[in-house]
Amino acid sequence: GESVGLHLPTLSVQEGDNSIINCAYSNSASDYFIWYKQESGKGPQFIIDIRSNMDKRQGQRVTVLLNKTVKHLSLQIAATQPGDSAVYFCAENSGGSNYKLTFGKGTLLTVNP
Amino acid sequence: NAGVTQTPKFQVLKTGQSMTLQCAQDMNHNSMYWYRQDPGMGLRLIYYSASEGTTDKGEVPNGYNVSRLNKREFSLRLESAAPSQTSVYFCASTRLYSNQPQHFGDGTRLSIL
Repeated sequence: GESVGLHLPTLSVQEGDNSIINCAYSNSASDYFIWYKQESGKGPQFIIDIRSNMDKRQGQRVTVLLNKTVKHLSLQIAATQPGDSAVYFCAENSGGSNYKLTFGKGTLLTVNP
Repeated sequence: NAGVTQTPKFQVLKTGQSMTLQCAQDMNHNSMYWYRQDPGMGLRLIYYSASEGTTDKGEVPNGYNVSRLNKREFSLRLESAAPSQTSVYFCASTRLYSNQPQHFGDGTRLSIL
């Protein structure tokens, strides 16, 4: 079946560096993608989203890039801070008339001071 | 705004017991969802309610029932709990029956002995 996956399960960076978290998706019909951040003991928190008619979208310190040719999604975090340490999930609209998300398993980002 | 509120936060049950997990949102969202999160499995959809008065099965509905009590509240019931239902349960909601981010509660941590 269709699934969303991640290239790296863990990522460790130094404070102040930029972080890049990657995600591969396999459903070519997906037209909407979301990145979530999940801190320990908390629910997933919405970070940024992008629709398939866009290649790039920027927020505060975060940028999402979408490459539909290779079905790849990435989240870039600028000047990573210790508070960015969390698990990051990508999710895609699995298509059809019902709005349902398919989630990746997550990447654990650790920021070292 | 509280967003999505889930109760209880923690619960321990014995095999065969029943319980209902409560979820309420104050964002005037139309659609609501129940997920379970297990290590290494990502978030899996149990049931969802696209709008008040409707409910549909998700990926893993067996052993669960739901009730969309009104626009604000969506409950998940375990009629006869089994150890395989030990998990963290998340409720989510979204504004429209279309491409909008889902907003999550902080989860109910359920252990079945």
